[in-house]
Formats: sequence, structure tokens, C-alpha cells
Amino acid sequence: AQKITQTQPGMFVQEKEAVTLDCTYDTSDPSYGLFWYKQPSSGEMIFLIYQGSYDQQNATEGRYSLNFQKARKSANLVISASQLGDSAMYFCAMREGGTGNQFYFGTGTSLTVIP
Amino acid sequence: GAVVSQHPSWVICKSGTSVKIECRSLDFQATTMFWYRQFPKQSLMLMATSNEGSKATYEQGVEKDKFLINHASLTLSTLTVTSAHPEDSSFYICSASRSPYEQYFGPGTRLTVT
Repeated sequence: AQKITQTQPGMFVQEKEAVTLDCTYDTSDPSYGLFWYKQPSSGEMIFLIYQGSYDQQNATEGRYSLNFQKARKSANLVISASQLGDSAMYFCAMREGGTGNQFYFGTGTSLTVIP
Repeated sequence: GAVVSQHPSWVICKSGTSVKIECRSLDFQATTMFWYRQFPKQSLMLMATSNEGSKATYEQGVEKDKFLINHASLTLSTLTVTSAHPEDSSFYICSASRSPYEQYFGPGTRLTVT
């Protein structure tokens, strides 16, 4: 079974609007961490936001917020007030508590912001 | 803080030669470093995990003798692609971790084997 599933290969959003990128995960480990990374065309992986499985509140970092629904095993990324520079690939990732430091990545979502 | 560098950023080599890629954590000590491979428009594929001073743990299907990984210090790991072939052409990304809930990526190395 896939550890991380991103079902949206490509998404479009109008500039200044909000967009939600979906991510579901699969784990039986009670301790895990969820991450979102942005990869622009330059190739660099840029860390955006982190959510721990025991965190009570949804993580937020500036225009990024993580909609964490533990029972549904989803960790959607919400980008508010989209900017042209947000156009990139976005990857959801998970690290399980008992498996060392290995990260599992989803297949990614390509976001295009339309002016 | 938490900057990871990779060198070179791109390299072209002839088939049959070996290429070494360096990954350095510039401002922190990384207990674990990871090497990923990424094909165009695809996700990152973990190749191996390396801890300082010990042998790397390779993922299934990754040839240990072809992709040599050395993690000589807490700030440096190297990936050597031996006897490179055109099918080894790819984008190689390293990452460094100083705790279980962090992973900082290098800018990547684009390898082209002619």
C-alpha cells in the first residue's frame, strides 16, 4: 500500500485565491510526522510546513496551513492568497516514528497559478 | 540555519566513467543523510540512507556496487556513480537530518551520461 497518496497530478488556481492540495497517508504507527515540500523548476526541495501526529492544532506557516484530519488520515496543504511564485511541484511526505529517519514521499501535485 | 549544499550542481560524463557527488551540511551536524533520485516529473525515490561512520542502507533494487555511498563525517556524505551509463542520467538529491523530524535538502545534482 502507498504510504502517501496525492491524487491531484495538476492543479490551477487564480492569483490571490486559496488552493487546497490533497494528501492522505497510511500508517499504523501512532507517532509520525507529516511534511510538505515545494519544488520549483530549479529542482530544490523547499520545506514548507510540518505537522506532528500528536499536535493538537493544525500547523500554520505564513500563507501555508495544514488541514490535519487524523481520523481520516489526511494532511491537506492550504495555500492562501496564491502568488505567481507559488507555481511549482508540491510533495507531501511522512516519517514514521519507529522506522529511523526514512521519509516517504507522495507523487506530487503540480500547481499553476494563473494571473 | 540548516543549509545543505551539493557539488557539483550539474555534471556531464562519458559512459563508463565514475562521478562523485558531494553533500554537505554547512551549519549543522547531520546524524543521517539520504540520497534520492528523481526522474523528470516524478517523485523522489530514496536510494539509500547513511549514518556517519557506518555502512549505508540501500533500498531494494539499488545496486550497492554501482552507487557507492560514504558518510565520512557528520557534515559530509558522498555518492559515487561507478561505471556510469546513460540510464544513470537523472537528478540526484541529498538531504541531511539532525533529528527524526527534520530533513533538509540540497539543491540537487543533474547528471547526464553521454
